[in-house]
This record gives sequence, structure tokens and C-alpha cells, in this order.
Amino acid sequence: DSGVTQTPKHLITATGQRVTLRCSPRSGDLSVYWYQQSLDQGLQFLIQYYNGEERAKGNILERFSAQQFPDLHSELNLSSLELGDSALYFCASSVGAYNSPLHFGNGTRLTVT
Amino acid sequence: GQNIDQPTEMTATEGAIVQINCTYQTSGFNGLFWYQQHAGEAPTFLSYNVLDGLEEKGRFSSFLSRSKGYSYLLLKELQMKDSASYLCAVGNAGNMLTFGGGTRLMVKP
Repeated sequence: DSGVTQTPKHLITATGQRVTLRCSPRSGDLSVYWYQQSLDQGLQFLIQYYNGEERAKGNILERFSAQQFPDLHSELNLSSLELGDSALYFCASSVGAYNSPLHFGNGTRLTVT
Repeated sequence: GQNIDQPTEMTATEGAIVQINCTYQTSGFNGLFWYQQHAGEAPTFLSYNVLDGLEEKGRFSSFLSRSKGYSYLLLKELQMKDSASYLCAVGNAGNMLTFGGGTRLMVKP
């Protein structure tokens, strides 16, 4: 158990809808990262927050947004969903802003029908 | 941008040694990580290299050459449970950690 909690585990929704994925980092970790992993593809970096502030941004679509709250939990919002958004979304946390090992949650499997 | 290359698949025999290579190109190198990921599960941290040389941790070792943009993960005394994907990830100065596509390792009896 990595100590990172993601909810929900599974999500099935229709095209055009909006969903929110939630992540609670390990106790003491200040950084939260979001990654997308599509079938047979590698982990694609979406965005990182450190202590409530956006730290780094990857190839995150404009339809996607995220935030980290004062209690350090984070939410990833996906809107106007398309079939291609179906993927496993991982949240990870680390102690520092960089050079710290990432600890991954078990992911949220999103299926868009 | 960043470019990370690793073989897609490898097969090895139980008890043997296997080396998984990773080459990378990045602006502002800030460390290289190796992760293990079993199918359908979360990646788990294996090793971290920021300076040239070999880091050993039990049956797993990782090597880095910054001048060559090259790393490898060495797995000794392979066990069936080592069948998994191994992900090479490179950090850059912009604090982004980019993962390679992963190497799927199959360990056969």
C-alpha cells in the first residue's frame, strides 16, 4: 500500500459528460502529480501541484483541469468527455517538488461510452 | 522536449540475469528513475540515479551515464514474480518527470 488514495476506482460515463477524480496524497507529501495511461501506452504526465500551487504542466488538454486544496488533496476534472479519454488515471505524491520518488495510487479507470 | 527509448518487450529465464536499457534526450537532466508496474496495478519505485555510476539494491541495480544519455536496470536471479513492465522516467529542469513507454519483461520457467 503506497498510502496514496484515489477515488473512485472505476467510472463509467457517456461522451460529453464531466467527471471529477479525487486523490489524497501520502501523509507528509506536499507534491501531487496526475498521469494518464491509455491502453498499451506509457504514462503521460498531465500536471503537478506542490503545496497548493501548480508546479509543472504536461500535455494536459484544455478540457481538463486540476487543483490542490489546503488539506493537500487534489482533484482532476475532466469535461466534455470523448471516447479517447478512456484510460487509467493515476495520482502520485512525493515529499518534495522534484527528485523525490513518486508513490502512486491504484488509479481510477475511466470508461467513456 | 524529452525523448525516452526502451525496448518494448524482453524475455528471460527464471534464475537468469536481464539488463533493460534506457536511452534519453532531455533539456536540463534532473535524475532518472526506474519503476516496476504489474499489469493493471500502480507503478512502484525501484531506483533513482542522479550521478554517474551503479546503484545496487538487492537483486536490482541501476546504472547511469549522463554523458551518453543512457541507463540500464539489471535484474539478477530472476523470479517469476519479476514478470512486469519496467518504466524508465527522466526528470528535467522544469520539474517534469517523463516516462518511457516501458519494457514488458516475461520471465519463463
